[in-house]
Amino acid sequence: DAGITQSPRHKVTETGTPVTLRCHQTENHRYMYWYRQDPGHGLRLIHYSYGVKDTDKGEVSDGYSVSRSKTEDFLLTLESATSSQTSVYFCAISIRTDAGYTFGSGTRLTVV
Amino acid sequence: DAKTTQPTSMDCAEGRAANLPCNHSTISGNEYVYWYRQIHSQGPQYIIHGLKNNETNEMASLIITEDRKSSTLILPHATLRDTAVYYCIVRSHYGGSQGNLIFGKGTKLSVKP
Repeated sequence: DAGITQSPRHKVTETGTPVTLRCHQTENHRYMYWYRQDPGHGLRLIHYSYGVKDTDKGEVSDGYSVSRSKTEDFLLTLESATSSQTSVYFCAISIRTDAGYTFGSGTRLTVV
Repeated sequence: DAKTTQPTSMDCAEGRAANLPCNHSTISGNEYVYWYRQIHSQGPQYIIHGLKNNETNEMASLIITEDRKSSTLILPHATLRDTAVYYCIVRSHYGGSQGNLIFGKGTKLSVKP
């Protein structure tokens, strides 16, 4: 969607390597979110941010860390990738807690 | 656990109205009903949300029962491009974890020619 970009779109990495996914927005929205989507589990919240340097854990945060040093970027890091982290990762933004979310196009990550 | 119950799948003929039901019998007074959809391989898309009054926008209508225990999303004239998984979600508008969007399994709507 316009205003939110995820990079890379596809990545293959080896088990044990660090991986960082980037979410970039041009909407100046305060709230940003990282989800993962897997068959049989649907979309699950990993981490979210409610402002610069303000982040919190979601329902499946183990093995992931995030950083938000400026409004437009929200980084998701897998410190040591595992095969269970093979998934499609979606970033989302929202301007307020009561607003609809705008989702990015996703990053397909494969850990071999 | 998901706070909503939706049918796993539904079919609809192209050009007809698609009525997607959702049960949320444990909804609390400060929780809203949200609908999103996800077309294959794309990120979810916001459709509409409401508290207790019926809502309409350019995409759909949302009908919420008076007791707020269930709702129906209506796509008035379904097209093939409306084939997607539709998610009904209840959430509060408070900040913090209470306000996060938690997705269930949704309803797979197939619009057929």
